[in-house]
Amino acid sequence: EPEVTQTPSHQVTQMGQEVILRCVPISNHLYFYWYRQILGQKVEFLVSFYNNEISEKSEIFDDQFSVERPDGSNFTLKIRSTKLEDSAMYFCASSPLVGYGYTFGSGTRLTVV
Amino acid sequence: KQEVTQIPAALSVPEGENLVLNCSFTDSAIYNLQWFRQDPGKGLTSLLLIQSSQREQTSGRLNASLDKSSGRSTLYIAASQPGDSATYLCACENFNKFYFGSGTKLNVKP
Repeated sequence: EPEVTQTPSHQVTQMGQEVILRCVPISNHLYFYWYRQILGQKVEFLVSFYNNEISEKSEIFDDQFSVERPDGSNFTLKIRSTKLEDSAMYFCASSPLVGYGYTFGSGTRLTVV
Repeated sequence: KQEVTQIPAALSVPEGENLVLNCSFTDSAIYNLQWFRQDPGKGLTSLLLIQSSQREQTSGRLNASLDKSSGRSTLYIAASQPGDSATYLCACENFNKFYFGSGTKLNVKP
């Protein structure tokens, strides 16, 4: 069964450093998403991406965050200057069409120290 | 804004028992509802997807129902096994994003 692949599985970074989280969505999917889950809290929406542009973003997704699909297969989330409160599990997801459900990746656990 | 609530927050049952997990949502204008399983520290595994025009979906020992008018979904697990122990998340898709519940943490005792 096709999978969404995320790398790395775990990243530790110092506060103020830039991080890039990588995702390879399912190849024929058109919609891409990033979600995050702070330990003990709900999974929450960050951003959706379609046709090479952001279609929607949450209030969490401020100027410190950016997304890119640089080469038609990878989908990346960049955090420019990490804060302690960015520590969370970050999930990438993809969907073939709106309303057809998501396939999630296994997540990247980001720890900011 | 969509609010998704799951009851109970935790559940402990002996192996072999049939059980029901509940999910409620405030906005009935959903595209679909998806149930996920999450093992500790792991990703989200899709269990069942119910599109807005459907009433239920089944996969093996799992059956999920959807009642949009009352804003409710249930996940029924038949003949539970210790390997079913995990957190079960309900998520509703509105306007191209998912809203998640807090989950039900299930423990099935051998």
